[in-house]
Amino acid sequence: KAGVTQTPRYLIKTRGQQVTLSCSPISGHRSVSWYQQTPGQGLQFLFEYFSETQRNKGNFPGRFSGRQFSNSRSEMNVSTLELGDSALYLCASSFGLAGSTGELFFGEGSRLTVL
Amino acid sequence: GESVGLHLPTLSVQEGDNSIINCAYSNSASDYFIWYKQESGKGPQFIIDIRSNMDKRQGQRVTVLLNKTVKHLSLQIAATQPGDSAVYFCAENGAGSYQLTFGKGTKLSVIP
Repeated sequence: KAGVTQTPRYLIKTRGQQVTLSCSPISGHRSVSWYQQTPGQGLQFLFEYFSETQRNKGNFPGRFSGRQFSNSRSEMNVSTLELGDSALYLCASSFGLAGSTGELFFGEGSRLTVL
Repeated sequence: GESVGLHLPTLSVQEGDNSIINCAYSNSASDYFIWYKQESGKGPQFIIDIRSNMDKRQGQRVTVLLNKTVKHLSLQIAATQPGDSAVYFCAENGAGSYQLTFGKGTKLSVIP
């Protein structure tokens, strides 16, 4: 079956702009988690959505937001971009909540560069 | 082991040797632990997991050991192959939070 699909794969934005990233989970998976990956901080948890509801949230400012649709597809949005937001944004899907199942299936990520 | 700061710890092993990657976790209440492998340009991939009621679990060529007393997790890879070259992350669930926290990762390089 198809894996987790993230779009776009690469994008370049300038400071102050906003960006929306999309994630299509594996068919049948109800949970989508988002992570930010940078060389200095590793994988940092952003938030998790399950059945259209945000179930967990990491320590990121309110500029980072997300949502999940009824078909389990998810989007995350970052407003008022800062240089430090440059990172690889990874989406992962799982059948149940991430912390209970652990077997997350990751997409290949969206690499955001902020100039 | 886990890294602090900008540099990933690196483990270099000869092809065919066994590899041991270590991880110190932080939350004594965590009851579920997972190892992931991330190859260059790809997202992390699930390798093996273990719950806190176990101290050892084996998969195909991989074994995870859990020592709750010292909050230590290790991943052993038998007969390491070039395709095992990647960054390896441990993750814990911080019991009750249903949120996975990832370690900083260890880069494994296999010398042919």
